[in-house]
This record gives sequence, C-alpha cells and structure tokens, in this order.
Amino acid sequence: GAGVSQTPSNKVTEKGKYVELRCDPISGHTALYWYRQSLGQGPEFLIYFQGTGAADDSGLPNDRFFAVRPEGSVSTLKIQRTERGDSAVYLCASSRGAPTYTQYFGPGTRLTVL
Amino acid sequence: QKEVEQNSGPLSVPEGAIASLNCTYSDRGSQSFFWYRQYSGKSPELIMFIYSNGDKEDGRFTAQLNKASQYVSLLIRDSQPSDSATYLCAVISNFGNEKLTFGTGTRLTIIP
Repeated sequence: GAGVSQTPSNKVTEKGKYVELRCDPISGHTALYWYRQSLGQGPEFLIYFQGTGAADDSGLPNDRFFAVRPEGSVSTLKIQRTERGDSAVYLCASSRGAPTYTQYFGPGTRLTVL
Repeated sequence: QKEVEQNSGPLSVPEGAIASLNCTYSDRGSQSFFWYRQYSGKSPELIMFIYSNGDKEDGRFTAQLNKASQYVSLLIRDSQPSDSATYLCAVISNFGNEKLTFGTGTRLTIIP
C-alpha cells in the first residue's frame, strides 16, 4: 500500500507568515508523529497523536506551533508568525503501535523562512 | 549528556568489508531500538529494530543490543557503495510514550 505522504514537499515563506504542513499516514496506522530535522542533526520529536488526541506535545518549541488530527487520519502542523529559525525539514511518521511500535517516515516538507 | 549518542563520522569502509556502527543511550529503562538509513536529501528509512539482548540478523545487516552496557550496534556485511548514507540510531524509552529519540547519525562512506 501507499506510504506516508506529506504536502507540500517544499515551502518557502516570509518571516511572520502562517504555514500549514499536511501529513497523510499509512492506512490503518493509529499513531502519527511529527519531527523536525535540521542539517547535520537527527530528527527531533515535536508531537504525537494516538487517534485524534495529542498523546505527547512536549516537543513543540513554543505556542506558535500547533497540530491537529481531527478525524484520526490526516494531520496538519500549523506554524504561526514564522521565524527564520523555523527553517528545517518537517518529517511525519506513522505507526501501527504495538507490538513493534515501528515508525515509517514520509518524504518530509522542507520549510524555508526568508 | 545526550540521550542517544553516535559517532558522527565520517566512517570510511572499503567495499566488501564489514561496517560497524555504534550507539549508546542514557536511559537504562529504554525498551526498543531502531536503526534508520538516510540518504542525502531523503527521509529516514527503517533498516532494523531490536528489543532483546543479543543479535538480530536480516540479510547483510545485524543489530546487536547490550542493555547492561546501554549500547546498540549495527553491522553491515559485504558493504556496497549503495550503503553510503547516514545511519540514525533511535530509541523508545518506554512503551507508555512511543516517541523516538534520535542520535545525530553516523555518516558512512563505502569506498569502491
């Protein structure tokens, strides 16, 4: 079946603007995760959903970042008042959960804030 | 101390040799361990996962876990130029929270 998909693949925006990044998980996967990866670093956890609810949002850097998953499938990561430091690749992953908890990643969205 | 540590490399290995990648973690209660491969400009791709002490083999790849010493390693036998990539070690600390904590990755180059 299809893997995790993310749109857009690239997003260039200006400082102060609002952006939305979309993730469509693998069908049947109940858990969905957002990570952020800067150059030369490993992915950094942002938030994860179990079904429709955020099970852990401790990785969101500040209140400019928000994510939703209203129907337990597609998720949107929203960033308000973007800053240049938000520039990174935003990765989405999904998992079936137990017993393996294995996460499969989408292709990512490269966000550039000018 | 970082939660998951890897040597950033670069690690250069001749084609056909064994590449050995190492990772240490700080949370003694960590439950499950993953190796991802990441080509430049691409997203992480799962190579292997391991939960129990000992070795787990899958084709040319062997993952090794030693919970007492808090390290996990990945061996790649008969290394190929296509194995050249960054290898990320990731850990789930407990099953109550499934978030992955990643190391910074080790850049591996296979020399033809």
